[in-house]
Amino acid sequence: GDSVTQMEGPVTLSEEAFLTINCTYTATGYPSLFWYVQYPGEGLQLLLKATKADDKGSNKGFEATYRKETTSFHLEKGSVQVSDSAVYFCALISNTGNQFYFGTGTSLTVIP
Amino acid sequence: DAGVIQSPRHEVTEMGQEVTLRCKPISGHNSLFWYRQTMMRGLELLIYFNNNVPIDDSGMPEDRFSAKMPNASFSTLKIQPSEPRDSAVYFCASSLGVPNTEAFFGQGTRLTVV
Repeated sequence: GDSVTQMEGPVTLSEEAFLTINCTYTATGYPSLFWYVQYPGEGLQLLLKATKADDKGSNKGFEATYRKETTSFHLEKGSVQVSDSAVYFCALISNTGNQFYFGTGTSLTVIP
Repeated sequence: DAGVIQSPRHEVTEMGQEVTLRCKPISGHNSLFWYRQTMMRGLELLIYFNNNVPIDDSGMPEDRFSAKMPNASFSTLKIQPSEPRDSAVYFCASSLGVPNTEAFFGQGTRLTVV
């Protein structure tokens, strides 16, 4: 079945450091891929998405490229800020259904 | 649109009581999802509906949990009787129900069963 595996946390970085959170997936067909962010006490918000191979999703300085050859969708940011501290979830939806599959979440803490 | 609206935001109840959580999805969305989030288990899908019909309820923990969607603009998740281990944040999400479209989440209901 479809699934998402993402990097275990927690991750702690200093401000302005480079961020990578790894995400790989298993899916039949051609899924769409998402990164969601959850700030403390809030619901999940869509951060970025990519709907086909080689697409790059980007938002707020974050980027992720849909790599079909490696079944990956790693999240990157060149210079993190304290305000980026949150939990990040990788997710997919297949192109034949409407059920979402979420990773376990990666907690990021950015220290000044 | 105001987004997905959940109520209440916080609920504290005694063990054995009935609890009802409510969700209003985004207008025009055909799919609705109920999730539970805990530190131990992370984000778990409990049930999802498509066009008001339950499609997959395999994530519902046991018979004490039930969910309904009487119309396209309202859904409930009921726990009867509630137990301390049900304490969690419960999220409702909705989507257009077509491939390649994202889900939108509500703010969640934090349930504490004492």
